[in-house]
Amino acid sequence: QQQVKQSPQSLIVQKGGISIINCAYENTAFDYFPWYQQFPGKGPALLIAIRPDVSEKKEGRFTISFNKSAKQFSLHIMDSQPGDSATYFCAASSNDKIIFGKGTRLHILP
Amino acid sequence: DSGVTQTPKHLITATGQRVTLRCSPRSGDLSVYWYQQSLDQGLQFLIQYYNGEERAKGNILERFSAQQFPDLHSELNLSSLELGDSALYFCASSSRGGAVNTEAFFGQGTRLTVV
Repeated sequence: QQQVKQSPQSLIVQKGGISIINCAYENTAFDYFPWYQQFPGKGPALLIAIRPDVSEKKEGRFTISFNKSAKQFSLHIMDSQPGDSATYFCAASSNDKIIFGKGTRLHILP
Repeated sequence: DSGVTQTPKHLITATGQRVTLRCSPRSGDLSVYWYQQSLDQGLQFLIQYYNGEERAKGNILERFSAQQFPDLHSELNLSSLELGDSALYFCASSSRGGAVNTEAFFGQGTRLTVV
């Protein structure tokens, strides 16, 4: 009930390609789904987040797709750039708890 | 720069010892969250304080405790340290209400090594 499963563990994408990272949750009480980007030696930084009343949210090259019935959500990075190379964490949160996925290490080839 | 300041950046200590990690939230933020990031457990939520009061508790061990002071800075106390406590400890802060499910800004972390 408390897990957030994130895949893949690592991802290599060509510059200009689309990077897709998937997450699945179990607890239907979760109502906030953020994605964090973390560079080596830095703290996680909020990239984009969605609440379950919408199925998609787009901010620049980053899009979250949300499927409430399947309890799945994904991050799409369009036109991926070498500067996007980082570790990405999804999370699922409710009023008093937050569970993170294990992370995806993304490498964009120049 | 997120505006959240954590000290120290690195800490090396021996098993059985006690350490204190400090966090200054962004100006005006009332909520402070503590997280632990380790290779085997990933990123885990430990505890949240809102305006001086404990608001939510995650996977925090009994050997660990935290508090938030009137000036809103927070300290995480880790005692009877074990090798397995070696990890990155992050603090985050938020201005929105007292809930965990809201936007939070992370500091750069304190890397704790227990030897």
